[in-house]
Amino acid sequence: DTEVTQTPKHLVMGMTNKKSLKCEQHMGHRAMYWYKQKAKKPPELMFVYSYEKLSINESVPSRFSPECPNSSLLNLHLHALQPEDSALYLCASSQITSSGNTIYFGEGSWLTVV
Amino acid sequence: AQTVTQSQPEMSVQEAETVTLSCTYDTSESDYYLFWYKQPPSRQMILVIRQEAYKQQNATENRFSVNFQKAAKSFSLKISDSQLGDAAMYFCAYRSGRDDKIIFGKGTRLHILP
Repeated sequence: DTEVTQTPKHLVMGMTNKKSLKCEQHMGHRAMYWYKQKAKKPPELMFVYSYEKLSINESVPSRFSPECPNSSLLNLHLHALQPEDSALYLCASSQITSSGNTIYFGEGSWLTVV
Repeated sequence: AQTVTQSQPEMSVQEAETVTLSCTYDTSESDYYLFWYKQPPSRQMILVIRQEAYKQQNATENRFSVNFQKAAKSFSLKISDSQLGDAAMYFCAYRSGRDDKIIFGKGTRLHILP
């Protein structure tokens, strides 16, 4: 089973709202990722968690706040977003680094900021 | 820094024909992994095929195969017997053996003509 589950699939939020995107995997993967993808562009890496610790933050604005409560869950907390933050947010997971393991993606969460 | 280049923004192929998508990359590392991902209109990123740099043999997965030319830093994807369901955006991706990042090319949109 190579499933990464993301909720919600669609989210519309105002610029003053606080919301969260959730991601779950039960493959025993110890690396989890958040990517942002705009239309007709490749995914852009935002954050990487390795063994539940933040290992990579690609200079993402603080209005995006990741959280990894346990090895199966990854959240992305959203606050005071801008309309240009509207995008597809992809969660992914893989076995830990140094072995080039495949990264498996969820179906994504479509975010619209109004 | 590593880079991945896909020089064909769009391609079309007749159903049942063969098509090759190009990808080149730049790296100074010797330990790395290469992937082709498919992203259909549903937007989920699906792994098509992967190649370990230390393996000389080209990877194959059913109708999908790669031509991996390590010295030339080229990693093309061949799709045989193209089917309507192959229509998607295809991303070439690079993963270092040292860290958790995966770097994507800009993608090639593949159209299948009935």
